[in-house]
Amino acid sequence: DVKVTQSSRYLVKRTGEKVFLECVQDMDHENMFWYRQDPGLGLRLIYFSYDVKMKEKGDIPEGYSVSREKKERFSLILESASTNQTSMYLCASRFPDRGRTEAFFGQGTRLTVV
Amino acid sequence: AQKVTQAQTEISVVEKEDVTLDCVYETRDTTYYLFWYKQPPSGELVFLIRRNSFDEQNEISGRYSWNFQKSTSSFNFTITASQVVDSAVYFCALSEKTSYDKVIFGPGTSLSVIP
Repeated sequence: DVKVTQSSRYLVKRTGEKVFLECVQDMDHENMFWYRQDPGLGLRLIYFSYDVKMKEKGDIPEGYSVSREKKERFSLILESASTNQTSMYLCASRFPDRGRTEAFFGQGTRLTVV
Repeated sequence: AQKVTQAQTEISVVEKEDVTLDCVYETRDTTYYLFWYKQPPSGELVFLIRRNSFDEQNEISGRYSWNFQKSTSSFNFTITASQVVDSAVYFCALSEKTSYDKVIFGPGTSLSVIP
């Protein structure tokens, strides 16, 4: 079974802090994704990566950066957390099969910025 | 532009009732893929089904069935004889061949099944 693991289920951080959200997958997937989930808005893509050290901006990259130094690990970084970044963050991975394959998701990290 | 609409924000049904979750999509691609995911209260999205744009056959899996109609750009999901364990948020999603790295999700429908 594919396993996507996010390092924390719940996080509380202060405004202005630098925040790291970690995601690890164990199925050798090339593609990895970070989504943000807010009520009524569904999942919005922040960044994705299609290989080590490769990344592409999604629909809402402002205020975020990412790092992919190893194939299995994809980190989301909030450079200076703000209260409007309070949200549920979901990591996903999948094989690059021209859109055919489903994505596998982690359990989510609920981040609260105070 | 690609877009997924789930007009029903919240639905409540009594156990054993049938319920249909609507999904309407927009795309300019001729090759695309549609997905349904379930997100239970635990938070992890679980893949339910994938359909490609060339396969309009309806599918049934136990109490779940899916109706894909290209003519109306819809991919609706029906749960027959609903159970409390079906309570979750359900997302419809679209992936296009030309932008295959991106999966566009609808806003989700929150289903509550009342015992």
